[in-house]
Amino acid sequence: AQSVTQLDSQVPVFEEAPVELRCNYSSSVSVYLFWYVQYPNQGLQLLLKYLSGSTLVKGINGFEAEFNKSQTSFHLRKPSVHISDTAEYFCAVSAGDYKLSFGAGTTVTVRA
Amino acid sequence: EAGVAQSPRYKIIEKRQSVAFWCNPISGHATLYWYQQILGQGPKLLIQFQNNGVVDDSQLPKDRFSAERLKGVDSTLKIQPAKLEDSAVYLCASSLSPEQYFGPGTRLTVT
Repeated sequence: AQSVTQLDSQVPVFEEAPVELRCNYSSSVSVYLFWYVQYPNQGLQLLLKYLSGSTLVKGINGFEAEFNKSQTSFHLRKPSVHISDTAEYFCAVSAGDYKLSFGAGTTVTVRA
Repeated sequence: EAGVAQSPRYKIIEKRQSVAFWCNPISGHATLYWYQQILGQGPKLLIQFQNNGVVDDSQLPKDRFSAERLKGVDSTLKIQPAKLEDSAVYLCASSLSPEQYFGPGTRLTVT
């Protein structure tokens, strides 16, 4: 079975500052990795995914993440955040059965 | 392309009552999932369907929860009777590949 740990439950950040959300996973097999964003009262929207290939993955809204197999990490970054990036962010992992295991989430609050 | 549809968006019931949620996946997606998301937590998989067959329901509390996917398209999740701890957002997702697409969810409040 796979599991995910999101190391920060809340991340406050000022507008136009960079942000990094940390995610570590545990698995005995090869994995697929995802970051989802959830705005209030909405479902989950896929930000980016790592399936194979390049370890640096670019997603929507200027987000990117780097897969580090040796450190079993998949940290999410954005060089300059906007007020509209205020949301809950979830890291998720799946293996060959495609079932997702989610972390507990990181709340990002962007302040002007 | 239309996304995953869910209804109702909100539901308030009293404990011991029953409730049903409906999901219509993206056209052509063979795999459908139901998740439970309790406030402050990540989503937890309840059940996975492949076409109209159950692949995994190991986390579904079968004494009160049931789900079906008739004709391999729409799906219904039912809770009977509901408990206070069932208050959560119920998310439906569908997929063709490792990537899952989520609906807006149904927020259930049990009083």
